[in-house]
Amino acid sequence: GENVEQHPSTLSVQEGDSAVIKCTYSDSASNYFPWYKQELGKGPQLIIDIRSNVGEKKDQRIAVTLNKTAKHFSLHITETQPEDSAVYFCAARTGEGAQKLVFGQGTRLTINP
Amino acid sequence: GAGVSQTPSNKVTEKGKYVELRCDPISGHTALYWYRQSLGQGPEFLIYFQGTGAADDSGLPNDRFFAVRPEGSVSTLKIQRTERGDSAVYLCASSLNRAGEQFFGPGTRLTVL
Repeated sequence: GENVEQHPSTLSVQEGDSAVIKCTYSDSASNYFPWYKQELGKGPQLIIDIRSNVGEKKDQRIAVTLNKTAKHFSLHITETQPEDSAVYFCAARTGEGAQKLVFGQGTRLTINP
Repeated sequence: GAGVSQTPSNKVTEKGKYVELRCDPISGHTALYWYRQSLGQGPEFLIYFQGTGAADDSGLPNDRFFAVRPEGSVSTLKIQRTERGDSAVYLCASSLNRAGEQFFGPGTRLTVL
């Protein structure tokens, strides 16, 4: 089955700097890759996603890149703000018939003012 | 509009007891998922419903766990003979259809004493 590895487990950056979180996946049939932000005591919130027919997607300060050949994808947050502090999870979903998401282990991002 | 809701938000029970956790998906969403999240980990898939039927229950850890969705909307996750190892946050998500984005509820924190 699918396995998703996420790095780093913790990340601390200065406010205004950029943050990058990386994930690798094992199943070449995976075709959908969402990123979730989880704040303490809350459920995961979808912040951006990318499908396998696209190499990059951007939404304001957030961007995701996908390298299908290498089977890895990354989240990029620019101009970080204190409210970006949270735990971020990447996930992968295999193709037809397998609708479950397989999540990475999470990255605790701290933005230092 | 209203998001995914879960009740109760917290449940404390004793080892060996039976518990039911409820999920109300976003109105009109045909797909519903249950995940379990242990402390410091990413969510792990339990079961997926498409309409009233369980399309994939491969993530249920054993036969003490069971879920239903009798009318294709609200779902209940049932755990019999609870064990301390069942303690976790149980998350519910729904999507418009099998290929859609999954939106998560706030979760139910289950503690088995």
